[in-house]
Amino acid sequence: EAGVAQSPRYKIIEKRQSVAFWCNPISGHATLYWYQQILGQGPKLLIQFQNNGVVDDSQLPKDRFSAERLKGVDSTLKIQPAKLEDSAVYLCASSYLAGGTDTQYFGPGTRLTVL
Amino acid sequence: AQTVTQSQPEMSVQEAETVTLSCTYDTSENNYYLFWYKQPPSRQMILVIRQEAYKQQNATENRFSVNFQKAAKSFSLKISDSQLGDTAMYFCAFMATSGTYKYIFGTGTRLKVLA
Repeated sequence: EAGVAQSPRYKIIEKRQSVAFWCNPISGHATLYWYQQILGQGPKLLIQFQNNGVVDDSQLPKDRFSAERLKGVDSTLKIQPAKLEDSAVYLCASSYLAGGTDTQYFGPGTRLTVL
Repeated sequence: AQTVTQSQPEMSVQEAETVTLSCTYDTSENNYYLFWYKQPPSRQMILVIRQEAYKQQNATENRFSVNFQKAAKSFSLKISDSQLGDTAMYFCAFMATSGTYKYIFGTGTRLKVLA
């Protein structure tokens, strides 16, 4: 069974530029999550989708971050414009059961450096 | 709001020895799940073990076991016969089974297994 795929693995941009990350969850997984993991900290949930609807985006900085999950499968997370404090690893995870009560499976992450 | 605390930023253990990682949490929920995830250097996060709060029996997965103390809101991870491959960041996570089922992660414990 293929795991959660993310691309790119690494991205370096200058502040005020825009960037987009892509995630393809495990086939059949209803719930998809985007996390931000700042160095030395645990992952922080940015947004949670159930199929193609948003369940929780309470910690998403909506003035600069946006995410979508078209057709309830893969998802993109965008930052526009980026700030220095956005430097982090962005993790995507998915789980099988609607409602997310099952185990989350994580992708390898995208490491973003904002200069 | 739920919180998860991991009070040991770093730990080390000799190969083949046993080590215990601590985790405490705060919640007013009665039904929830607890997880330990492992994040090896530059590799993706994987589930080590999970515990349902309604189960009194402590979860065990091969060399990994937990000591779940619901009244004390404590959830420690014991690794027996430590191996070099156990070197990683370990994150404790909490998920309530009401609301949006989102994970709350601790700040992690960096474990180094010494040869």
